[in-house]
Amino acid sequence: GESVGLHLPTLSVQEGDNSIINCAYSNSASDYFIWYKQESGKGPQFIIDIRSNMDKRQGQRVTVLLNKTVKHLSLQIAATQPGDSAVYFCAVYGGSQGNLIFGKGTKLSVKP
Amino acid sequence: KAGVTQTPRYLIKTRGQQVTLSCSPISGHRSVSWYQQTPGQGLQFLFEYFSETQRNKGNFPGRFSGRQFSNSRSEMNVSTLELGDSALYLCASSPGQRIYGYTFGSGTRLTVV
Repeated sequence: GESVGLHLPTLSVQEGDNSIINCAYSNSASDYFIWYKQESGKGPQFIIDIRSNMDKRQGQRVTVLLNKTVKHLSLQIAATQPGDSAVYFCAVYGGSQGNLIFGKGTKLSVKP
Repeated sequence: KAGVTQTPRYLIKTRGQQVTLSCSPISGHRSVSWYQQTPGQGLQFLFEYFSETQRNKGNFPGRFSGRQFSNSRSEMNVSTLELGDSALYLCASSPGQRIYGYTFGSGTRLTVV
């Protein structure tokens, strides 16, 4: 079945710097990918998604890059702010399973 | 519009008891999925309902069950609670049969003592 791997459980950056959070998946049939942000005491909040027919998608201060060749996904946050401090999850959909498979999450800490 | 509403927010139960959690999806959403979140295992899929039918089920024991009503509201039940069932239970809803537009609720924090 699908598995979603985590590259780094924690990431600490300086306010104003760019952040990059990485994710790897195993099933080449996966066709939809989502990044979520989870703050303490809350459920995961949608940040940005990308379908397998795209390599890059941009939102407000966030960019998702998809490399299907190596089955790698990344989330870039520009000019990271203290309010960006949270746990970030990638989630993968497609293949034989009909549900999202989540990575373990990266805790982002932003130092003022 | 209102988001996904989960009740109760917090629950403390004793080992061996049973518990029912409730989820009201976003108005118009017909698909509801449930996830268990623990520090060790992360987010794990429990089951998914669409139009009152269970479409998909994760690898959890039969003590975990759910249902969906005609108004799309969903409940999940855990019988014979174990200490390891302590977790944040999250519900997510989406408009249709696929998960585009998936929105999570804030979860129910279950503690089993």
